[in-house]
Amino acid sequence: EPEVTQTPSHQVTQMGQEVILRCVPISNHLYFYWYRQILGQKVEFLVSFYNNEISEKSEIFDDQFSVERPDGSNFTLKIRSTKLEDSAMYFCASSADRGQGGEQYFGPGTRLTVT
Amino acid sequence: AQSVTQPDIHITVSEGASLELRCNYSYGATPYLFWYVQSPGQGLQLLLKYFSGDTLVQGIKGFEAEFKRSQSSFNLRKPSVHWSDAAEYFCAVGAMDSSYKLIFGSGTRLLVRP
Repeated sequence: EPEVTQTPSHQVTQMGQEVILRCVPISNHLYFYWYRQILGQKVEFLVSFYNNEISEKSEIFDDQFSVERPDGSNFTLKIRSTKLEDSAMYFCASSADRGQGGEQYFGPGTRLTVT
Repeated sequence: AQSVTQPDIHITVSEGASLELRCNYSYGATPYLFWYVQSPGQGLQLLLKYFSGDTLVQGIKGFEAEFKRSQSSFNLRKPSVHWSDAAEYFCAVGAMDSSYKLIFGSGTRLLVRP
């Protein structure tokens, strides 16, 4: 069964450093998402991406964040200058459609630890 | 604004007992509703979804959920819990805007007594 994959599974970085989290969505999917989950808290939406552009972003997704689909298969989330509060589990998701039938499939997540 | 409430932070049940996890949503129109399960250290797995039609939906692993518009609820049920069901369960509503993002509840952690 096709699945969303994410690398790395765990990333440790120092405050102020740039990180890139990588995702490979399911191959025929068109809609892509990043969510994050701070330890012990709910899963929060960060950004949605379709047709090579952001369709919506949350308040969390400030100028320090960016997303890219560089080669038609990968979907990346970049944090330019990490802060301690960026420590969280980051989930990538993809869907073939939106609305009915547009269920989102989640990757296993990347745990980001900022020290 | 759309929101999802899961009033129970933790629930403990005995193996073989029935289970009901509560979920209430706030949304103006007919919502798209989902239940996801997250095992420790794992990602989110879709258990079931409701888009329209029959208000009782069946999912994987023997779970079902019932959409009740009058109560703005979408409770998850299972008639007989197995030890492997111990996990965190998230209810979510699909936003009907340009993003179709999911808005999650805060989750319910299920513990299963042997």
